[in-house]
Amino acid sequence: GESVGLHLPTLSVQEGDNSIINCAYSNSASDYFIWYKQESGKGPQFIIDIRSNMDKRQGQRVTVLLNKTVKHLSLQIAATQPGDSAVYFCAESYNTDKLIFGTGTRLQVFP
Amino acid sequence: ETGVTQSPTHLIKTRGQQVTLRCSSQSGHNTVSWYQQALGQGPQFIFQYYREEENGRGNFPPRFSGLQFPNYSSELNVNALELDDSALYLCASSLGTGGYTFGSGTRLTVV
Repeated sequence: GESVGLHLPTLSVQEGDNSIINCAYSNSASDYFIWYKQESGKGPQFIIDIRSNMDKRQGQRVTVLLNKTVKHLSLQIAATQPGDSAVYFCAESYNTDKLIFGTGTRLQVFP
Repeated sequence: ETGVTQSPTHLIKTRGQQVTLRCSSQSGHNTVSWYQQALGQGPQFIFQYYREEENGRGNFPPRFSGLQFPNYSSELNVNALELDDSALYLCASSLGTGGYTFGSGTRLTVV
């Protein structure tokens, strides 16, 4: 399949370590935020979302943190596994309107 | 419950031709959005359809047009194809309250 994100920022982590992927969003009025995982040749896959009335949300092995003051979003992945290797995008939305995607970060997990 | 399906998966067209891409939304989803993802970039919003009406449009020329059908499936049409139209075209469906589900995309190559 095609390679997504040939020249994206890359985060390399060792299997079992925790990963933190950061994202700066653009619109202070955005009220809904989503993290997506995209593997080569596939569409974005939903990981976790958060609304602007929250600053933290946890899922299975993942946590999203939202800092509205500095318009910053982060995705934490606990005990990173080889299957987590992919390109990760944050996306923002206002009033269920279009999604605006960030530039993406490639996560590489090595043994 | 079926997810979002797109067809075809790959397509090669000649500059100046027209193309139609198809999307079947996830069961129960009434809103469909289309995105263009160039290699190494995040997806860019093209337009959104809700109950067969265009409900928002991104910064794309009029030669990008769409349709939504009563069963909420959708088509993306691109006329007068240009080389820069080569990209992965993604369809996403939702209930209009967030929770966008993406298909695997159609890889369009214009030669």
